[in-house]
Amino acid sequence: SQQGEEDPQALSIQEGENATMNCSYKTSINNLQWYRQNSGRGLVHLILIRSNEREKHSGRLRVTLDTSKKSSSLLITASRAADTASYFCATDGRYSTLTFGKGTMLLVSP
Amino acid sequence: SQTIHQWPATLVQPVGSPLSLECTVEGTSNPNLYWYRQAAGRGLQLLFYSVGIGQISSEVPQNLSASRPQDRQFILSSKKLLLSDSGFYLCAWRRLAGGYNEQFFGPGTRLTVL
Repeated sequence: SQQGEEDPQALSIQEGENATMNCSYKTSINNLQWYRQNSGRGLVHLILIRSNEREKHSGRLRVTLDTSKKSSSLLITASRAADTASYFCATDGRYSTLTFGKGTMLLVSP
Repeated sequence: SQTIHQWPATLVQPVGSPLSLECTVEGTSNPNLYWYRQAAGRGLQLLFYSVGIGQISSEVPQNLSASRPQDRQFILSSKKLLLSDSGFYLCAWRRLAGGYNEQFFGPGTRLTVL
């Protein structure tokens, strides 16, 4: 079953704009991760935020976590065409498995 | 450094034919290993995971099976493929020590069943 659900399903913006993607989950978590997938490729880990953290930054990425609302957001600032990809949130399960959402497809136009 | 390999990259198979996808990890020992399937436009579905040689846990009952004959080798198999087995198959590993739950993914295998 899906634990994380991202929205929007698709997002189209211009270069230089900010992109915000949201993720909601159902059960309590220890941490939440965001991954990126270029078309036809494997997933690449972007950032992990622990349940006791509220915000985390990595370069142009900013992740927030609200455990009371069971939601997280990923903000990409000053987007570039190379940021075009699908973005997934993932929550941890038993035996270090991960449960992924359906993803947000981001298209950044030059 | 660690690397993860999957092959083949693409595969077209007829319905009813067998399947064998291989995944190997280099540069680490005793990793947790995972097989995921991604249908077109969908998220990832965990199929199998393994915490050690010969130890396989199935998340979704279906006509697929997995084996781990060696520490860093994970194989996904089927005796008879179905049309619904088409998809993008991803292998991943996780470092067992350190408590950092990040998974590293292979490049994937695109399977088309006709």
